[in-house]
Amino acid sequence: RKEVEQDPGPFNVPEGATVAFNCTYSNSASQSFFWYRQDCRKEPKLLMSVYSSGNEDGRFTAQLNRASQYISLLIRDSKLSDSATYLCVVNKAGSGNTGKLIFGQGTTLQVKP
Amino acid sequence: DADVTQTPRNRITKTGKRIMLECSQTKGHDRMYWYRQDPGLGLRLIYYSFDVKDINKGEISDGYSVSRQAQAKFSLSLESAIPNQTALYFCATSDWESASGTGGYTFGSGTRLTVV
Repeated sequence: RKEVEQDPGPFNVPEGATVAFNCTYSNSASQSFFWYRQDCRKEPKLLMSVYSSGNEDGRFTAQLNRASQYISLLIRDSKLSDSATYLCVVNKAGSGNTGKLIFGQGTTLQVKP
Repeated sequence: DADVTQTPRNRITKTGKRIMLECSQTKGHDRMYWYRQDPGLGLRLIYYSFDVKDINKGEISDGYSVSRQAQAKFSLSLESAIPNQTALYFCATSDWESASGTGGYTFGSGTRLTVV
């Protein structure tokens, strides 16, 4: 089983749609969770952290369910510029805090006019 | 100038050749990482270094070696390149706080390597 699993998509949605991505992780000891965005052939960039209480940044909402080891990202009112690959990222748990991040394979979003 | 600079940006090399990918950073971070990215497989960690005297293998280190020449420089070598090492390679940096809490890895722009 992969440490971080995502539905690769692609998700094709019209502008203005609401779209949700899901991610599961295998290590229950993981402590930190993030969503990164990667544009085609570019480097990944941090989109937002994911907190236990859930958090929102404009049109983006992230949720964490520790019991189910599940993370989600909701994008409201999709824009053409949201087209990208979204990476679910989990801090690797282990002895001490190694600080290494494990990246999911990514979910591709294509927003159409 | 970019915080994390990778050279070259693109490279085509022949099977069996030795090639070095270079990474330098101005972030002052102590941690540096090399990842490769393949379609459908996501980012996979090749090697990482938490300071100049610390080198660690990642999940796919076979066929690769690294050198941490200074805090700001971390190079990746393919001793004898093979076609299945064709991929997009990223260097990343972090410090303890950003890696552990805020998820703040800073990535370079990537090196697209093709082995023919």
